[in-house]
Amino acid sequence: DAKTTQPNSMESNEEEPVHLPCNHSTISGTDYIHWYRQLPSQGPEYVIHGLTSNVNNRMASLAIAEDRKSSTLILHRATLRDAAVYYCILRNTGNQFYFGTGTSLTVIP
Amino acid sequence: ETGVTQSPTHLIKTRGQQVTLRCSSQSGHNTVSWYQQALGQGPQFIFQYYREEENGRGNFPPRFSGLQFPNYSSELNVNALELDDSALYLCASSPRGGGYDEQYFGPGTRLTVT
Repeated sequence: DAKTTQPNSMESNEEEPVHLPCNHSTISGTDYIHWYRQLPSQGPEYVIHGLTSNVNNRMASLAIAEDRKSSTLILHRATLRDAAVYYCILRNTGNQFYFGTGTSLTVIP
Repeated sequence: ETGVTQSPTHLIKTRGQQVTLRCSSQSGHNTVSWYQQALGQGPQFIFQYYREEENGRGNFPPRFSGLQFPNYSSELNVNALELDDSALYLCASSPRGGGYDEQYFGPGTRLTVT
C-alpha cells in the first residue's frame, strides 16, 4: 500500500509563506493526493487535493512533482490560526485513505 | 446546515466488552468513513459505507464492523475489545461515493479500554 512521509515538525513566522513537503514514492497512477489539517481536540479539516496538476484554492496551493512522487502544500501567508498538524494523504481506487504521520506546524508571532 | 455529529463523546469500556459508536452525516452526504486515531498518530482508515454498503476497508480485523442506515447515519461496532482499541474514533461524511470529494469530519469519540 502507498504511504506518505512528512517531516515531524516545522516552524514558520507569522505572515510568511510555508512549504510543507510530502514524499509518496510508491504512489500509483490513480491515487489522489489529499491534504488535511487537524487542530487539537478536533477532527481533521480538508485543505486541498489534486491528481497531477497544481491546484489552488482559498486556503492553500498544492504543487505536485512531475513524477508525482512528492508534493508540497503551500500556505501563502501563515497566520496563528494555521498552527495545526498537517496530513498528506493518498486516496486509492479502493476508496482507502492513508494518512501519514503528519507535520506539526508552529507559527511564531 | 448541521455538520457531522458523533456520540458519545467519551466512553470507557472493559477488555472483552462490545461497543457501538454512532455518527450522523452532514445533510445531503451519502458516504461515511470511519477512522481510528491512536494518541500521537495519524488517523487509520477502518472502512467506508456508501448507500448502506461497505465500499472499502482498511487493515482492521472482522471484529470491527459497521452499518449505514437509510438516512445515511452510521454505526461502528467493535467486539471483544482489546486494550489497543483505546483511541479516538473519527467519522467523516462526503457527498458521494468514490472518495474523490472532501470529507467532513466529526469531533470524534474517545474510547478508553481498561
